[in-house]
Amino acid sequence: GQQVMQIPQYQHVQEGEDFTTYCNSSTTLSNIQWYKQRPGGHPVFLIQLVKSGEVKKQKRLTFQFGEAKKNSSLHITATQTTDVGTYFCAGGSGTYKYIFGTGTRLKVLA
Amino acid sequence: NAGVMQNPRHLVRRRGQEARLRCSPMKGHSHVYWYRQLPEEGLKFMVYLQKENIIDESGMPKERFSAEFPKEGPSILRIQQVVRGDSAAYFCASSPGTAINSPLHFGNGTRLTVT
Repeated sequence: GQQVMQIPQYQHVQEGEDFTTYCNSSTTLSNIQWYKQRPGGHPVFLIQLVKSGEVKKQKRLTFQFGEAKKNSSLHITATQTTDVGTYFCAGGSGTYKYIFGTGTRLKVLA
Repeated sequence: NAGVMQNPRHLVRRRGQEARLRCSPMKGHSHVYWYRQLPEEGLKFMVYLQKENIIDESGMPKERFSAEFPKEGPSILRIQQVVRGDSAAYFCASSPGTAINSPLHFGNGTRLTVT
């Protein structure tokens, strides 16, 4: 079945450093969504990417969808302590079901 | 505009008891998804329901687990004869249409502990 992997599993950065998480699907995706889950909280939708090669920005966050629509990345510039949490990608395959990635847990050291 | 409401927030059950988890979707949302999350792990799809219909329950164990989304009232995830391995956070999410076109709005989750 379809699998969605994320790397790294954990990332500790100093405040002010950049951070990137990568998402890879075993199958071609129709679109991809990104969510953030704070410790003890619930996943919160960040963004959706649909087009091959699409790049979207939200302030310090940059999201990219690969040309082959099998991978995606989230890059955070100059991390802040408020960026702490787990970032999940969720791959859509043209139906209602999204397969969530394994997540990248980000810790930001002040 | 209330978000997705889940209750209870925390639930403790002894082995063999039944657990009932409730989810009220956002107003205007008719699609409900249940996900399970073990500590430090990702979200695993369990079941997708529309009003009065189970569309996909492929992620839900066939025994002891059931879900419903009646015409009136919240969606219910029911776990019979709970075992320690059922301990997890169970998240409900809703969307106005099929999630392929719209984001999932998650509730705060129910953290089930089986003793």
